[in-house]
Amino acid sequence: EPEVTQTPSHQVTQMGQEVILRCVPISNHLYFYWYRQILGQKVEFLVSFYNNEISEKSEIFDDQFSVERPDGSNFTLKIRSTKLEDSAMYFCASKRDPQETQYFGPGTRLLVL
Amino acid sequence: ELKVEQNPLFLSMQEGKNYTIYCNYSTTSDRLYWYRQDPGKSLESLFVLLSNGAVKQEGRLMASLDTKARLSTLHITAAVHDLSATYFCAAYTGGFKTIFGAGTRLFVKA
Repeated sequence: EPEVTQTPSHQVTQMGQEVILRCVPISNHLYFYWYRQILGQKVEFLVSFYNNEISEKSEIFDDQFSVERPDGSNFTLKIRSTKLEDSAMYFCASKRDPQETQYFGPGTRLLVL
Repeated sequence: ELKVEQNPLFLSMQEGKNYTIYCNYSTTSDRLYWYRQDPGKSLESLFVLLSNGAVKQEGRLMASLDTKARLSTLHITAAVHDLSATYFCAAYTGGFKTIFGAGTRLFVKA
């Protein structure tokens, strides 16, 4: 069964460093998302991406964040200058059409020291 | 902005018992999703509810949607230990955003 994959599974970085989190959505999906979940807390929407552009973003998704779909398969989230409070699990999700559920990847656990 | 509230946030129940998790949302939404998350794992889709009065069942779980009351419920019948997990509801805002509730952490005791 097709699934969303994410790399790396864990990332440790120093405050102020740039990180890139990578996702490979399911191949025939058109809608792509990033969420984050601080340990034990709720799942927070960051950004949605459709037709090669950001369709909606939350107030969390400030100028330090960017997303890209550089080729037909990868979908990346970049954090330009990480802060301690960026430590969280980051989930990528995708879906084929608007009415469908989102399929989530396994997540990348980011720790900023 | 759309807000989604779940209750209870924590639920400890005995095997064999029934219980309901409630999900209220603050503004109109025509799509409601339920997900399950095991500790340290990703989110697994359980149900998609697309219209008023929608009811879906899978095993011991049944979800329903009342768009007029802005309420969805997840009913657990004759709980078993394997159902222990965190359950999230999420409502679609009409744009490209889905807002999640805080989650209900369910523990089923043998």
